[in-house]
Amino acid sequence: AQSVTQPDIHITVSEGASLELRCNYSYGATPYLFWYVQSPGQGLQLLLKYFSGDTLVQGIKGFEAEFKRSQSSFNLRKPSVHWSDAAEYFCAVGLFSGGYNKLIFGAGTRLAVHP
Amino acid sequence: DVKVTQSSRYLVKRTGEKVFLECVQDMDHENMFWYRQDPGLGLRLIYFSYDVKMKEKGDIPEGYSVSREKKERFSLILESASTNQTSMYLCASRGTGLEKLFFGSGTQLSVL
Repeated sequence: AQSVTQPDIHITVSEGASLELRCNYSYGATPYLFWYVQSPGQGLQLLLKYFSGDTLVQGIKGFEAEFKRSQSSFNLRKPSVHWSDAAEYFCAVGLFSGGYNKLIFGAGTRLAVHP
Repeated sequence: DVKVTQSSRYLVKRTGEKVFLECVQDMDHENMFWYRQDPGLGLRLIYFSYDVKMKEKGDIPEGYSVSREKKERFSLILESASTNQTSMYLCASRGTGLEKLFFGSGTQLSVL
């Protein structure tokens, strides 16, 4: 069955430090991959997506992610974290099921940023 | 920008009550979704709709139903609320294909 695993439930980094959030997926076909961010009290906002082509994709707010087919991974990175990046991050895989498109989300990683 | 509006930010209901959660989008999107969000479980799809009066079960439809009488409005119905339905409910909409989802701010439902 299709699934998305985010191994880290909580991560804490210092402001200015680099960040990598892990995401592994299980899907038989070529995946459509997404990262969403949820700030406190808000809905989810798309950070970036991968459909095909260049395996390193750039998103909003200085985030990037790299698709590695051999590792079934789509890790999110940022070179220098800002305090405003504290939020919950969700990885998702898009799939076609029964003729319809839907997203399967991971459990999320909550990011805390120390000043 | 697309706006997805959920009618209530917080809702408190009693066990056995019938509960309606309303969602409206303003971008003429065909697809609308209801998710519930629980700590450690991420977002799980309850129901989705790809057209007016059309609906499909998601991964956890038990105890829920939906209604889509107009393209812009998608309602989630808890026929008889139970305490295990206490959760954050998120509505989302999307155009065709696998474009990005636009989410509402969520409704935190507490069933006492």
